[in-house]
Amino acid sequence: DVKVTQSSRYLVKRTGEKVFLECVQDMDHENMFWYRQDPGLGLRLIYFSYDVKMKEKGDIPEGYSVSREKKERFSLILESASTSQTSMYLCASRGGSNQPQHFGDGTRLSIL
Amino acid sequence: AQSVTQPDIHITVSEGASLELRCNYSYGATPYLFWYVQSPGQGLQLLLKYFSGDTLVQGIKGFEAEFKRSQSSFNLRKPSVHWSDAAEYFCAVGASSGSARQLTFGSGTQLTVLP
Repeated sequence: DVKVTQSSRYLVKRTGEKVFLECVQDMDHENMFWYRQDPGLGLRLIYFSYDVKMKEKGDIPEGYSVSREKKERFSLILESASTSQTSMYLCASRGGSNQPQHFGDGTRLSIL
Repeated sequence: AQSVTQPDIHITVSEGASLELRCNYSYGATPYLFWYVQSPGQGLQLLLKYFSGDTLVQGIKGFEAEFKRSQSSFNLRKPSVHWSDAAEYFCAVGASSGSARQLTFGSGTQLTVLP
């Protein structure tokens, strides 16, 4: 089974801090994704990566950046956290183009 | 651009009753279609997927879904709901070709199961 591990289940940070969310997958997948999930809005794609050091913006990239230095790890960075970024963050990975995405358990981030 | 509509925000059924969750999609070609389930505080788990072939797809936990191209729908069904099925359900559509960012999710349907 594919295992996608997010480093923290719950995280509390302060406004203005630089925040790192980490995601690791164990299936040698090329594609990795970061979503945020808010009530009534479903999942919205922030960034994705289709290879090491490659990244593309999703639908809501403002205020975020990402890093993919190794194939198995995809990091989401909040450059200067704001209260509007309080949300559930979900990481996913996928192998080939006709394969489903596999999700981690999520990180519930609160910005105070 | 692709889009997904789940018209029911919240559905309540009694345990043992049948269930149908609606999903309508918009996409110009043959889509990839998925149903995911999310239990409280958890990530999303894949229930089933449609890529091509038989339009009736069987998934895990006794769920099935039917792809109807003429109606642009991919409704999820279960003949007899169990209390453990209470969760949020997401339909997603993906492009059958193109870039890696393929999935667009609906806003979800919250399922409550009454004893």
